[in-house]
Amino acid sequence: RKEVEQDPGPFNVPEGATVAFNCTYSNSASQSFFWYRQDCRKEPKLLMSVYSSGNEDGRFTAQLNRASQYISLLIRDSKLSDSATYLCVVKWQAGTALIFGKGTTLSVSS
Amino acid sequence: DGGITQSPKYLFRKEGQNVTLSCEQNLNHDAMYWYRQDPGQGLRLIYYSQIVNDFQKGDIAEGYSVSREKKESFPLTVTSAQKNPTAFYLCASARSGLSSYEQYFGPGTRLTVT
Repeated sequence: RKEVEQDPGPFNVPEGATVAFNCTYSNSASQSFFWYRQDCRKEPKLLMSVYSSGNEDGRFTAQLNRASQYISLLIRDSKLSDSATYLCVVKWQAGTALIFGKGTTLSVSS
Repeated sequence: DGGITQSPKYLFRKEGQNVTLSCEQNLNHDAMYWYRQDPGQGLRLIYYSQIVNDFQKGDIAEGYSVSREKKESFPLTVTSAQKNPTAFYLCASARSGLSSYEQYFGPGTRLTVT
C-alpha cells in the first residue's frame, strides 16, 4: 500500500522556537515532494516544493533524503501565525495524483 | 483574478438525495481532482481528470460520479449510494497531471447529510 506517514503531533512550541517535522514515504520511486499548510477548516495551500538538494524559503527549510525515504520541514523563529497543520505530500509518478499524509499540527504560543 | 471556485460553501441534504458539488477553475489547468477530508484525517482522492472528457477513479470512488465536459469545470455528484457522505470536499487543479506540478485547491464545500 502506498503510504505517507507523519507524526500527528500536536507540537506545542513557544514563539521564537525552532521546530522540525518529519515524514516518511513508502514508494522509493516517488518523483515529487511538497509541504502544504492547512489552517483550521480551510483548504490546503502550497508551502513549498521539496528538492533533492534541499531548499529554503525564509524561515522554512525543506530536506529530502531519498535513501531513507523521508522528508523534513524545519521552521525557525516560530511565529503565532505558523500555527496550522502541515501536510507532507508525495507524487508517486507521472500521471498519478498526489498522496497526502494526515498532517502534523503545530501550535505556537506567546 | 485566477483561481478555483467551489460552491456552495455549506450544503445540507437529506439522506437518499443525490447532490452535485461545483468546481470551476480559470487557471487553464489541464488536470483536476476531487478529495474528501474527514475530521482528523488526511485527504483521500475520489476522482481525477488529466484532460477533458477523461477521468479516473481514485481510492474512494464508490458512491460518487464526475464529468469533465469542459476544461474549466469538474463537478462531483454525491449519490445516495455513498454510505457516509458528510465530509469536507476539496477540488484541486494542476497545470498538468503528467508532470510534477503542484496542485492548487479551492475553498471547499462542507456537505452535511442527515
